[in-house]
Parts: sequence; C-alpha cells; structure tokens
Amino acid sequence: EILMTQSPATLSVSPGERATLSCRASQSVSSNLAWYQQKPGQAPRLLIYGASTRATGIPARFSGSGSGTEFTLTISSLQSEDFAVYYCQQYNNWPSVFGQGTKVEIK
Amino acid sequence: EVQLVESGGGLVQPGGSLRLSCAASGFTFSSSEMSWVRQAPGKGLEWVSYISSSDSTIYYADSVKGRFTISRDNAKNSLYLQMNSLRAEDTAIYYCARAIPGYRLLFDYWGQGTLVTVSS
Repeated sequence: EILMTQSPATLSVSPGERATLSCRASQSVSSNLAWYQQKPGQAPRLLIYGASTRATGIPARFSGSGSGTEFTLTISSLQSEDFAVYYCQQYNNWPSVFGQGTKVEIK
Repeated sequence: EVQLVESGGGLVQPGGSLRLSCAASGFTFSSSEMSWVRQAPGKGLEWVSYISSSDSTIYYADSVKGRFTISRDNAKNSLYLQMNSLRAEDTAIYYCARAIPGYRLLFDYWGQGTLVTVSS
C-alpha cells in the first residue's frame, strides 16, 4: 500500500497570503494525484486531479503541481472561505489512499 | 442536480451488523462506478470499497475485507454497504461517492454521510 504524507499538519496563514501545501507518496503515483477540500460538517470537495487540473467550478487561485512522488497545492491568495482541511489522494494504485490532511487556519 | 443521500447509520454493538444505503439521483447511476469512503471522528479519509457500474468488479480495503459487502441495484439507483462483525474501529461517517467517468477512484460527488457508531 502506498503511503501518502502531507506537510505541514497545520498551516497558519493570513487572508490574502499565499499557502503552499505538500504531499509526498512513498512510491511513484505518476500524475494520478488529487486534492480535496473539506470544511467542518461537510463532505470533501474535489479541487484538483491529474496533479494539476482544476475540477469544474474551482477558482483559479487553486493550483497543483508535481508528479511521481512530490506534489504541491498552492492557494495564491487565501480567501475566508478557503480555511479548511485539505487532503491529497493517490488514485494510481489499489487501494486508493488519502493523506492525513493539512489544516489551513487563520493566522 | 446530482444528489447522493446516505442512510442506515446508527449505534450498534461490537459484533453487530448494519446495512447502509445510498440513494442516487441527477445522473445515470447505472453507468457510474461508486465507492464508499469513511472518516473516523476527527480523523482523515479512508477508502472502503469500490463497485463497478455493472457490479462485475468489486474491491475492498484490507481493513474491511471479509466483513463488509458492497452491492448496488441499478433499477433503484441505489448503492449499499452491508457491514457485519462490526468493531469499535469501524466507527466513522460513511460517505458514498461517485467516480468521475473513466477514473475508478477519483470522486466528483459525495453524499452528506451517515454516522456509524460501534459501541457497547
């Protein structure tokens, strides 16, 4: 089973600042990497797939990069609605595995 | 509008059984691959089980293999998860999720979840 490790566990950012989240896979997942956003009491929402493709309706301030084992989610200018937990997910191999999450909180 | 509505959660004793349902609408359910994903209280996401559109292919996470059974009824636009021999560590919110066509394990729509609590 592939292990997905996200860092940092918590990221404190001021509104309007840039946030950079990392996700590392224990072995290559090619570009089969997704990012989800989850707010309290809500289901996850797909943000990015294919490592860098924004899902339908996702604002351009969200961008993804990377391939193989190292991936990054960047939020260029944090809005109030972006404070949430973010999960990466590899869907290259069975079983699909999610990272443990990065909480983006208001600084 | 795509909707996934889970039901069937509740409190059950260790060793007990529960059957979850997911009612789908707003898309062609019979053509869609589906999964169950769970989230223990305050924890991250864990994929549980997958079923292909025609139920010819099924996969389970090792943590539930032999205890859980996924199924679907395309005539009723419904997905199910039969959970037997439940353990405390199965306590979680269970989400049903639709896979993007062509991507078995990439999920574009999720239900609101149903809470399963395993406790004596």
